[in-house]
Amino acid sequence: AQKVTQAQTEISVVEKEDVTLDCVYETRDTTYYLFWYKQPPSGELVFLIRRNSFDEQNEISGRYSWNFQKSTSSFNFTITASQVVDSAVYFCAVDSNYQLIWGAGTKLIIKP
Amino acid sequence: NAGVMQNPRHLVRRRGQEARLRCSPVKGHSHVYWYRQLPEEGLKFMVYLQKENIIDESGMPKERFSAEFPKEGPSILRIQQVVRGDSAAYFCASSPPPGTSYNEQFFGPGTRLTVL
Repeated sequence: AQKVTQAQTEISVVEKEDVTLDCVYETRDTTYYLFWYKQPPSGELVFLIRRNSFDEQNEISGRYSWNFQKSTSSFNFTITASQVVDSAVYFCAVDSNYQLIWGAGTKLIIKP
Repeated sequence: NAGVMQNPRHLVRRRGQEARLRCSPVKGHSHVYWYRQLPEEGLKFMVYLQKENIIDESGMPKERFSAEFPKEGPSILRIQQVVRGDSAAYFCASSPPPGTSYNEQFFGPGTRLTVL
């Protein structure tokens, strides 16, 4: 069965610290896509990244970076030098055909 | 270039009433998906529709819930005789017709349903 596990329900750090959000997935598919979304307190979904299962290169976008390890079925997300505006719930998801299978989310609290 | 529109953004209903949630996809998109997010949880797939056709409704509760995507007009998610457990955020996504590249889903802002 397809499944996404985000074991960290809540993380709290002080501003400027680095923080890593874990994501472990299960899928039967040989080709699949992985996603991260941000959900700020306002409730909308903000797309952060989509990664093809064939592309195992790590990706960096400003203060955000993603570590995809196919061997351990993990797709972890790191925020460097966190800021208060990064406070949100972050979701990891895997594409199962046309359905997105979502993790339960990690609530990230950045304290000033 | 309007994205996915959902209305209303907030909906309050009393138990037993009907809730109608609307989703207007991105212009040119022919596929619509509905997801439900219960409080403190991730999104769960409900239904996948093409215009005038339900492709997959495996995530829809068996009773009281229905969805449609008519030839003209928005997609509608209808919940009859709402109960408190229906209180959730309902997100709609749309995608273009399947092609050779990945069929990206674009999400709307969601409708927050509160059942009193």
